[in-house]
Amino acid sequence: DGGITQSPKYLFRKEGQNVTLSCEQNLNHDAMYWYRQDPGQGLRLIYYSQIVNDFQKGDIAEGYSVSREKKESFPLTVTSAQKNPTAFYLCASSNRDRGYEQYFGPGTRLTVT
Amino acid sequence: GNSVTQMEGPVTLSEEAFLTINCTYTATGYPSLFWYVQYPGEGLQLLLKATKADDKGSNKGFEATYRKETTSFHLEKGSVQVSDSAVYFCALSGDSSYKLIFGSGTRLLVRP
Repeated sequence: DGGITQSPKYLFRKEGQNVTLSCEQNLNHDAMYWYRQDPGQGLRLIYYSQIVNDFQKGDIAEGYSVSREKKESFPLTVTSAQKNPTAFYLCASSNRDRGYEQYFGPGTRLTVT
Repeated sequence: GNSVTQMEGPVTLSEEAFLTINCTYTATGYPSLFWYVQYPGEGLQLLLKATKADDKGSNKGFEATYRKETTSFHLEKGSVQVSDSAVYFCALSGDSSYKLIFGSGTRLLVRP
């Protein structure tokens, strides 16, 4: 079955360490996205990528970095420069053929202490 | 730019009650409109969508109609179940078709 996988589901890190969150999709979608969700809040866009080797900053890109070397993969690195990294991170993908409706992965809960 | 406003929660209902979650939007052009649902600890799932004015999206007993005259896309269900307890997000396509603009979410709690 096609879908989006994110790993791991729970991630713990010490303050000052960089950490990379994985996102893989086998839907053959061109566009991929990273969102951050804080308790009781909506989704905020971190980065998005429309095609391989290209990506754009979203609303809250500071302290994060991404790469898009393959169509299927869009890893997110949370750097030590991100002041409040503890959050729930969601990856999504979409395609023109489906009107850009976004399909979401199960999310990664990152806790930094 | 495009934006979406949805009613604050939580919304607490008894099983079999009628549900309405309000969503209004501001947009240039003709955006597509979506409702997503998020169950505890999970990602978002597309619940329904509408791509043009007067379209009605429906799925699993939920419905929403794209009303351009009132810039609204209210979510309704005639008889909620305990299993409908979740957070519901209204969204619309942004200035760039690739991007979605999400509302802040409305938590629904259905009691037996």
